[in-house]
Amino acid sequence: KNQVEQSPQSLIILEGKNCTLQCNYTVSPFSNLRWYKQDTGRGPVSLTIMTFSENTKSNGRYTATLDADTKQSSLHITASQLSDSASYICVVSSTPSGTYKYIFGTGTRLKVLA
Amino acid sequence: DVKVTQSSRYLVKRTGEKVFLECVQDMDHENMFWYRQDPGLGLRLIYFSYDVKMKEKGDIPEGYSVSREKKERFSLILESASTNQTSMYLCASSFSKAYEQYFGPGTRLTVT
Repeated sequence: KNQVEQSPQSLIILEGKNCTLQCNYTVSPFSNLRWYKQDTGRGPVSLTIMTFSENTKSNGRYTATLDADTKQSSLHITASQLSDSASYICVVSSTPSGTYKYIFGTGTRLKVLA
Repeated sequence: DVKVTQSSRYLVKRTGEKVFLECVQDMDHENMFWYRQDPGLGLRLIYFSYDVKMKEKGDIPEGYSVSREKKERFSLILESASTNQTSMYLCASSFSKAYEQYFGPGTRLTVT
């Protein structure tokens, strides 16, 4: 069964600290993996996209990694800011039998405290 | 910038009412999607459309229908609203199947 699991479910850190969010997936065939940021009461916004051949992708203070062999991805946030408080959602795209599917994780809720 | 707008941010309806949620995108995207988002369950696909007048069922289509008469507009219809349809509804669009999805701000629907 195609699944995307994220950990931890929630995380509280102090402003200025770094943190890492995890995404494990059992999706086949794999097309790409995206990380989205969703502020409370808003729609998700894309942070990064990674294909099978990419190991690392950065977007400012956000760095995503992908290990296609172990089917794991991580999102590292450097020098966190209060505005990083949000839910972070991992989404894996798959193309079974010519169709196209998006499989969503349930997200990690990050709270950054001053 | 791509803009996806949804007709309402908050909506309160009574059980049995017919509910229309509208979504409009301004980037000439082919693909449009409707999701619902519930705590602990993540986003679940209700319906999607790859072209005008084309629609396909997602993972949880029961109790919903959709309409896409124009490329920029995708409507979600709750034929007879029920309390278990209380949720956040998110619309998204993308240029093609492999491209990034752009999401609207969401509609929080409460059915009483």
